[in-house]
Formats: sequence, C-alpha cells, structure tokens
Amino acid sequence: AQSVSQHNHHVILSEAASLELGCNYSYGGTVNLFWYVQYPGQHLQLLLKYFSGDPLVKGIKGFEAEFIKSKFSFNLRKPSVQWSDTAEYFCAVNVVAAGNKLTFGGGTRVLVKP
Amino acid sequence: DGGITQSPKYLFRKEGQNVTLSCEQNLNHDAMYWYRQDPGQGLRLIYYSQIVNDFQKGDIAEGYSVSREKKESFPLTVTSAQKNPTAFYLCASMDGTKGSNQPQHFGDGTRLSIL
Repeated sequence: AQSVSQHNHHVILSEAASLELGCNYSYGGTVNLFWYVQYPGQHLQLLLKYFSGDPLVKGIKGFEAEFIKSKFSFNLRKPSVQWSDTAEYFCAVNVVAAGNKLTFGGGTRVLVKP
Repeated sequence: DGGITQSPKYLFRKEGQNVTLSCEQNLNHDAMYWYRQDPGQGLRLIYYSQIVNDFQKGDIAEGYSVSREKKESFPLTVTSAQKNPTAFYLCASMDGTKGSNQPQHFGDGTRLSIL
C-alpha cells in the first residue's frame, strides 16, 4: 500500500521567513498530488494540486509546490509567510490506478509568530 | 451555497453504545468519504462510496459501518466494536466523474468523545 510521509510535525517561524514543508510518497506509478490546509477552526481546503504538466505548481495565498518524480517528493514552499499562515498542512496522494482515494500524510502544524 | 454539512459538531458516546454521524452534501457529487483525524496521524480513510448503494472499506473500517441510500447522504455509524472511537471525524465528497485529479471537499467535522 502507498504511504505519505511529512517530515516535520511542527514548524515555528517568524513572519517574513521562508517556509518549506517536505512530502514524500512511496508509490511508483502515476499519481495525483495535493496539499490541503486546515486553518484554526476551519475545514480542510485545497491549497494546490499537481496531476500533469509543469511540475512547479502555484496555489492560493502565494504557495507553490514542486513535484520531483525521481525523488517521489512534492514539497510545499512559500517565500515569505504571514501570521495568517498559521495552520496545519496536509500532503495527500491519489494513486490513479487505485481509483478516487486519497492517502494523507500525518500533517505539519505551522506556527507563524508575529 | 453548496457544501458539506456534518452533524452534530460534538458527540458523546457511552461505552457499548452505537452512534451515527451525519454527512449531507448538496454538491451533486457521486463520491463521498469518511476519514478519522488523530493528532500526528493525519487523515485515515474509514469508508468511501463512489456511487449510491455501493461503498468500500478504507484502511481502518473495523468497528464502523456506513450506508449510501441517497446520493446526498453518507452516514457513518461508530459501533461498540470500535475500541478507540475518540477522534475527529471528517466527511468529504468529490466529483469523481471528472477524474481522480479532482479535489475533495470537506465538512467541518464531528468531534466524538467517550463518556
């Protein structure tokens, strides 16, 4: 079965710092990749996704992620964070051959200090 | 507004009792999902349904049951066989007719606690 690993459980940084969250998955076939965000008290929402084409994808709120197939990675980045980026971030992978199911990573809690 | 409604927001269960969590969507999505969220473990798939009157077990289906009698509804029952039911439960839906690269839409969740 496929698995998704997020390397950091907690990240604390100051406003204007750069953010990079790691995500690796274990499946070697065709995948769709997602980053979701859960702001305090809110439901999960999509930040960005990759399914084909340019491996560098841009999402909402200045986030981007790069798919590196050879490394089975889909790391999330933001050049300059804001206090409002405080949230929990989840990487998720859909194995195309397995149908419409997602496998989630364990999540990374990000705290941005003002 | 279209969306997913989960109820109740908070639920308490006594030992040996079955409880049912509600999930309703008005997005006209065929596919619906139930996840369990525990700290540090992300979301784990309990059950999913691709179409009415059909559903499949996810990774942690033991102690849970579902039904999908209507397109818009996918209730989850937490049975007494689930020995560690305290968790945050999330329901999601997806327009599976457009392919597996579509995002899932999530409800606000139900927090279940054991008395």
